[in-house]
Amino acid sequence: DQQVKQNSPSLSVQEGRISILNCDYTNSMFDYFLWYKKYPAEGPTFLISISSIKDKNEDGRFTVFLNKSAKHLSLHIVPSQPGDSAVYFCAASVGFGNEKLTFGTGTRLTIIP
Amino acid sequence: DTGVSQDPRHKITKRGQNVTFRCDPISEHNRLYWYRQTLGQGPEFLTYFQNEAQLEKSRLLSDRFSAERPKGSFSTLEIQRTEQGDSAMYLCASSEENTGELFFGEGSRLTVL
Repeated sequence: DQQVKQNSPSLSVQEGRISILNCDYTNSMFDYFLWYKKYPAEGPTFLISISSIKDKNEDGRFTVFLNKSAKHLSLHIVPSQPGDSAVYFCAASVGFGNEKLTFGTGTRLTIIP
Repeated sequence: DTGVSQDPRHKITKRGQNVTFRCDPISEHNRLYWYRQTLGQGPEFLTYFQNEAQLEKSRLLSDRFSAERPKGSFSTLEIQRTEQGDSAMYLCASSEENTGELFFGEGSRLTVL
């Protein structure tokens, strides 16, 4: 049972445009959500997170939106840059500080120069 | 500190052999996690330690798998009598307690022939 779903395996976006990556979850107990970025031959690196008490969190070019009623979150990257090309994983946990994360299957983002 | 390091990076073995992976976490981190990632999937939680205590194990961790963190520093993950289904990337991560952020190593890729 896939509790965190990323239904788009891949996404291509022109440099300078907005990239929107989506994630859905089924477990109502999840209350902390994270995005990780992974380059080839490297481990995932933390990008941004959001608690369920918020509906938006912003960090520079990265913004995460959370819609609890729809059990949906999205990551917006604007403007997109070539270095953003990577695999992006959505992850969720029950409780902040609980690093037992449930990950989605990932979306490969390609930024076209 | 150079981050989380894992050894070996790649291991090819024959079915039925035992393998051991080592993880050295970031030195001030008291939590250490093992995750497994198979092709096309996101990382899946296997087990975690707080200092030397193994606090949780996933049902994914069969009896053939054992993890230790004897002095609360480095950790080992041993797989006995390997099967082809064990082929995966084994990721180690560490964190400070209650920060909600995992720092991953580059992973140890296991191929079982």
